Amino acid sequence: GAVVSQHPSRVICKSGTSVKIECRSLDFQATTMFWYRQFPKQSLMLMATSNEGSKATYEQGVEKDKFLINHASLTLSTLTVTSAHPEDSSFYICSASNLAGVFYNEQFFGPGTRLTVL
Amino acid sequence: GENVEQHPSTLSVQEGDSAVIKCTYSDSASNYFPWYKQELGKGPQLIIDIRSNVGEKKDQRIAVTLNKTAKHFSLHITETQPEDSAVYFCAAMGPGAQKLVFGQGTRLTINP
Repeated sequence: GAVVSQHPSRVICKSGTSVKIECRSLDFQATTMFWYRQFPKQSLMLMATSNEGSKATYEQGVEKDKFLINHASLTLSTLTVTSAHPEDSSFYICSASNLAGVFYNEQFFGPGTRLTVL
Repeated sequence: GENVEQHPSTLSVQEGDSAVIKCTYSDSASNYFPWYKQELGKGPQLIIDIRSNVGEKKDQRIAVTLNKTAKHFSLHITETQPEDSAVYFCAAMGPGAQKLVFGQGTRLTINP
Protein backbone atom coordinates (compact mmCIF):
# COMPACT_ATOMS: atom_id res chain seq x y z
CA GLY A 1 0.00 0.00 0.00
CA ALA A 2 0.88 3.66 -0.14
CA VAL A 3 2.71 5.58 2.57
CA VAL A 4 1.36 8.64 4.35
CA SER A 5 3.41 10.67 6.80
CA GLN A 6 2.43 13.27 9.38
CA HIS A 7 4.49 15.94 11.03
CA PRO A 8 4.88 16.56 13.86
CA SER A 9 4.10 13.31 15.63
CA ARG A 10 3.61 15.09 18.90
CA VAL A 11 3.13 18.74 19.81
CA ILE A 12 2.55 20.59 23.06
CA CYS A 13 1.43 24.20 22.92
CA LYS A 14 0.05 26.93 25.12
CA SER A 15 -3.60 27.88 25.06
CA GLY A 16 -4.31 30.56 22.46
CA THR A 17 -1.57 29.60 20.05
CA SER A 18 -2.01 28.06 16.59
CA VAL A 19 -0.61 24.71 15.55
CA LYS A 20 -0.04 23.40 12.03
CA ILE A 21 -0.03 19.68 11.21
CA GLU A 22 1.25 18.41 7.87
CA CYS A 23 0.07 15.32 6.04
CA ARG A 24 2.06 14.02 3.08
CA SER A 25 1.46 11.17 0.66
CA LEU A 26 4.95 9.94 -0.09
CA ASP A 27 4.55 7.67 -3.08
CA PHE A 28 1.25 8.47 -4.77
CA GLN A 29 -0.85 11.42 -5.77
CA ALA A 30 -3.63 11.99 -3.29
CA THR A 31 -6.62 13.56 -4.98
CA THR A 32 -8.47 13.54 -1.69
CA MET A 33 -7.28 13.82 1.89
CA PHE A 34 -9.25 13.38 5.06
CA TRP A 35 -8.71 14.68 8.58
CA TYR A 36 -9.92 12.73 11.58
CA ARG A 37 -9.94 13.36 15.28
CA GLN A 38 -9.76 10.60 17.86
CA PHE A 39 -10.31 10.97 21.58
CA PRO A 40 -8.94 8.34 23.99
CA LYS A 41 -10.64 4.96 23.67
CA GLN A 42 -13.00 6.27 21.00
CA SER A 43 -13.43 5.78 17.29
CA LEU A 44 -12.21 8.04 14.52
CA MET A 45 -14.41 11.04 13.82
CA LEU A 46 -14.17 12.60 10.38
CA MET A 47 -13.58 16.34 10.59
CA ALA A 48 -13.27 17.31 6.95
CA THR A 49 -12.60 16.12 3.42
CA SER A 50 -10.31 18.07 1.14
CA ASN A 51 -9.81 17.73 -2.59
CA GLU A 52 -6.67 19.12 -4.14
CA GLY A 53 -7.11 22.70 -5.24
CA SER A 54 -10.54 23.24 -3.73
CA LYS A 55 -12.02 24.20 -0.38
CA ALA A 56 -12.45 21.55 2.25
CA THR A 57 -15.84 20.14 3.12
CA TYR A 58 -16.38 20.10 6.87
CA GLU A 59 -18.53 17.69 8.82
CA GLN A 60 -21.43 19.01 10.84
CA GLY A 61 -20.29 20.53 14.10
CA VAL A 62 -16.70 21.15 13.00
CA GLU A 63 -15.76 24.83 13.01
CA LYS A 64 -14.08 25.66 9.72
CA ASP A 65 -12.61 28.89 11.08
CA LYS A 66 -10.96 27.01 13.91
CA PHE A 67 -9.67 24.06 11.91
CA LEU A 68 -8.16 25.47 8.74
CA ILE A 69 -7.42 22.93 6.03
CA ASN A 70 -5.29 23.52 2.97
CA HIS A 71 -4.72 20.96 0.22
CA ALA A 72 -2.47 22.89 -2.09
CA SER A 73 -0.85 19.96 -3.89
CA LEU A 74 -1.45 16.30 -4.65
CA THR A 75 0.99 15.28 -1.93
CA LEU A 76 0.41 17.74 0.90
CA SER A 77 -2.48 18.79 3.10
CA THR A 78 -2.23 20.87 6.26
CA LEU A 79 -4.51 21.25 9.25
CA THR A 80 -4.10 24.37 11.35
CA VAL A 81 -5.74 24.47 14.75
CA THR A 82 -6.20 28.17 15.45
CA SER A 83 -6.32 29.64 18.94
CA ALA A 84 -6.02 26.20 20.47
CA HIS A 85 -7.65 25.45 23.81
CA PRO A 86 -7.28 22.45 26.15
CA GLU A 87 -10.44 20.87 24.73
CA ASP A 88 -8.71 20.69 21.34
CA SER A 89 -6.22 18.24 22.81
CA SER A 90 -6.64 15.05 20.82
CA PHE A 91 -5.06 12.62 18.38
CA TYR A 92 -5.34 13.99 14.84
CA ILE A 93 -5.03 11.54 11.96
CA CYS A 94 -5.00 12.19 8.24
CA SER A 95 -5.64 9.79 5.41
CA ALA A 96 -5.16 10.01 1.68
CA SER A 97 -6.87 8.43 -1.30
CA ASN A 98 -6.82 8.52 -5.05
CA LEU A 99 -10.23 7.68 -6.43
CA ALA A 100 -8.96 7.58 -9.98
CA GLY A 101 -6.07 5.23 -9.32
CA VAL A 102 -5.52 1.57 -8.64
CA PHE A 103 -6.19 2.17 -4.95
CA TYR A 104 -9.80 3.09 -5.65
CA ASN A 105 -11.75 3.40 -2.39
CA GLU A 106 -8.74 2.73 -0.21
CA GLN A 107 -7.67 5.31 2.33
CA PHE A 108 -4.11 5.22 3.59
CA PHE A 109 -3.69 6.58 7.08
CA GLY A 110 -0.89 8.59 8.56
CA PRO A 111 0.66 7.75 11.94
CA GLY A 112 -1.24 10.51 13.73
CA THR A 113 -0.30 13.67 15.64
CA ARG A 114 -0.83 13.94 19.38
CA LEU A 115 -1.79 17.52 20.26
CA THR A 116 -1.70 18.63 23.88
CA VAL A 117 -2.85 22.15 24.70
CA LEU A 118 -1.82 23.43 28.10
CA GLY B 1 -26.58 8.63 6.45
CA GLU B 2 -24.62 5.46 7.05
CA ASN B 3 -24.37 4.06 10.56
CA VAL B 4 -22.00 1.26 11.56
CA GLU B 5 -22.36 -0.75 14.76
CA GLN B 6 -19.49 -2.93 15.98
CA HIS B 7 -19.48 -5.68 18.61
CA PRO B 8 -18.04 -6.60 20.98
CA SER B 9 -16.30 -3.54 22.40
CA THR B 10 -13.73 -5.75 24.13
CA LEU B 11 -12.66 -9.30 23.39
CA SER B 12 -10.19 -11.47 25.23
CA VAL B 13 -9.07 -14.83 23.80
CA GLN B 14 -6.40 -17.37 24.54
CA GLU B 15 -3.41 -17.50 22.26
CA GLY B 16 -4.07 -19.91 19.44
CA ASP B 17 -7.84 -19.55 19.60
CA SER B 18 -9.97 -17.69 17.05
CA ALA B 19 -11.43 -14.21 17.40
CA VAL B 20 -14.53 -12.90 15.65
CA ILE B 21 -15.65 -9.27 15.47
CA LYS B 22 -18.97 -8.32 13.92
CA CYS B 23 -20.30 -5.16 12.32
CA THR B 24 -23.64 -4.12 10.93
CA TYR B 25 -24.33 -1.24 8.59
CA SER B 26 -27.49 0.64 7.73
CA ASP B 27 -27.08 1.84 4.13
CA SER B 28 -27.76 -0.97 1.66
CA ALA B 29 -25.91 1.03 -1.02
CA SER B 30 -22.58 0.73 0.84
CA ASN B 31 -20.16 -1.32 -1.22
CA TYR B 32 -16.73 -1.16 0.43
CA PHE B 33 -15.93 -2.59 3.86
CA PRO B 34 -12.38 -2.29 5.23
CA TRP B 35 -10.99 -3.45 8.55
CA TYR B 36 -8.26 -1.56 10.36
CA LYS B 37 -5.89 -2.47 13.16
CA GLN B 38 -4.74 0.33 15.42
CA GLU B 39 -1.93 -0.09 17.90
CA LEU B 40 -1.50 2.30 20.79
CA GLY B 41 -0.39 5.76 19.69
CA LYS B 42 -0.40 4.87 16.00
CA GLY B 43 -2.62 5.43 13.00
CA PRO B 44 -4.98 2.72 11.71
CA GLN B 45 -3.53 0.16 9.34
CA LEU B 46 -5.66 -1.60 6.74
CA ILE B 47 -5.55 -5.35 7.33
CA ILE B 48 -8.21 -6.58 4.94
CA ASP B 49 -11.13 -5.23 2.95
CA ILE B 50 -14.05 -6.61 0.99
CA ARG B 51 -16.25 -5.20 -1.72
CA SER B 52 -19.92 -5.92 -2.15
CA ASN B 53 -19.46 -8.17 -5.15
CA VAL B 54 -17.90 -10.96 -3.04
CA GLY B 55 -19.02 -12.78 0.07
CA GLU B 56 -15.72 -13.78 1.60
CA LYS B 57 -12.06 -12.89 1.41
CA LYS B 58 -9.11 -14.50 3.14
CA ASP B 59 -5.52 -13.47 3.71
CA GLN B 60 -3.53 -16.03 5.71
CA ARG B 61 -4.95 -15.99 9.28
CA ILE B 62 -7.42 -13.20 8.56
CA ALA B 63 -10.76 -13.50 6.79
CA VAL B 64 -13.74 -11.26 6.26
CA THR B 65 -17.27 -12.33 5.40
CA LEU B 66 -20.04 -10.14 4.06
CA ASN B 67 -23.78 -10.75 4.14
CA LYS B 68 -25.40 -8.04 2.03
CA THR B 69 -28.93 -9.23 2.73
CA ALA B 70 -28.48 -8.94 6.47
CA LYS B 71 -26.15 -5.95 6.11
CA HIS B 72 -23.42 -7.31 8.30
CA PHE B 73 -19.79 -8.25 7.91
CA SER B 74 -17.36 -9.99 10.21
CA LEU B 75 -13.63 -10.25 10.81
CA HIS B 76 -12.21 -13.64 11.66
CA ILE B 77 -8.70 -14.09 13.04
CA THR B 78 -7.49 -17.66 13.46
CA GLU B 79 -4.52 -19.00 15.42
CA THR B 80 -4.28 -15.74 17.33
CA GLN B 81 -0.90 -14.49 18.50
CA PRO B 82 0.06 -11.92 21.17
CA GLU B 83 0.94 -9.42 18.42
CA ASP B 84 -2.69 -9.50 17.30
CA SER B 85 -3.56 -7.55 20.45
CA ALA B 86 -4.79 -4.11 19.32
CA VAL B 87 -7.95 -2.13 18.63
CA TYR B 88 -9.78 -3.17 15.49
CA PHE B 89 -12.17 -0.93 13.56
CA CYS B 90 -14.62 -1.84 10.83
CA ALA B 91 -15.83 0.76 8.37
CA ALA B 92 -18.24 1.14 5.48
CA MET B 93 -18.30 3.35 2.41
CA GLY B 94 -21.04 3.98 -0.12
CA PRO B 95 -20.61 4.36 -3.89
CA GLY B 96 -19.03 7.68 -4.76
CA ALA B 97 -19.27 8.73 -1.12
CA GLN B 98 -15.52 8.84 -0.45
CA LYS B 99 -16.22 9.00 3.26
CA LEU B 100 -15.59 6.06 5.57
CA VAL B 101 -17.98 5.56 8.47
CA PHE B 102 -16.28 3.73 11.31
CA GLY B 103 -17.56 1.34 13.91
CA GLN B 104 -16.88 1.98 17.58
CA GLY B 105 -13.87 -0.30 17.74
CA THR B 106 -13.03 -3.59 19.47
CA ARG B 107 -10.15 -3.91 21.88
CA LEU B 108 -8.74 -7.39 21.30
CA THR B 109 -6.46 -8.91 23.92
CA ILE B 110 -4.64 -12.16 23.27
CA ASN B 111 -3.71 -13.94 26.48
CA PRO B 112 -0.51 -16.03 26.32
